[in-house]
Amino acid sequence: DQQVKQNSPSLSVQEGRISILNCDYTNSMFDYFLWYKKYPAEGPTFLISISSIKDKNEDGRFTVFLNKSAKHLSLHIVPSQPGDSAVYFCAASEDTGRRALTFGSGTRLQVQP
Amino acid sequence: DSGVTQTPKHLITATGQRVTLRCSPRSGDLSVYWYQQSLDQGLQFLIQYYNGEERAKGNILERFSAQQFPDLHSELNLSSLELGDSALYFCASSVEGFFPLETQYFGPGTRLLVL
Repeated sequence: DQQVKQNSPSLSVQEGRISILNCDYTNSMFDYFLWYKKYPAEGPTFLISISSIKDKNEDGRFTVFLNKSAKHLSLHIVPSQPGDSAVYFCAASEDTGRRALTFGSGTRLQVQP
Repeated sequence: DSGVTQTPKHLITATGQRVTLRCSPRSGDLSVYWYQQSLDQGLQFLIQYYNGEERAKGNILERFSAQQFPDLHSELNLSSLELGDSALYFCASSVEGFFPLETQYFGPGTRLLVL
């Protein structure tokens, strides 16, 4: 039972354009969401997070949007750069401080120069 | 470089065997986390330790165990290995272990292949 789903295994965009990575979840108890980036042969790196009390969080070129009613979040990267090419994982947690992170299966982003 | 080190980088072993994976957290971090990334299950949280004590448990099998030592390094022990245990095992660390609000820093992983 996949509680966090990233339905697009891969995405290709042109440098300078917007990249939009999507994530859906089924557990309505999730209240904290994170995005991680992973390069080959490295561990995941935290990118940005959002609490369920917000619907948007921005950090430089990265913005995460949360739509609680649709149980959907998205990561926008503007403008996309070739160095953004990596696998992006979304993750969710339902009880901060005690429970585990549940990860999506990841989306491979390729930014074409 | 996240500052988290994991050894060994690669490990090849046979079914039924036992292995130990080691993790050294970033300097000053009190909490360590173990994750498994396999082809069919994706990235899964296994277990968290804070200052030597188990704090949170995820999808960790009974054949697996972990501990955190007084010097804060951690070991993940995998026993009675099966083919399906072949995966990338990540360790992460954070300062206080306020999971998941605190940023976790991941090591490069140990790739385990069970033949």
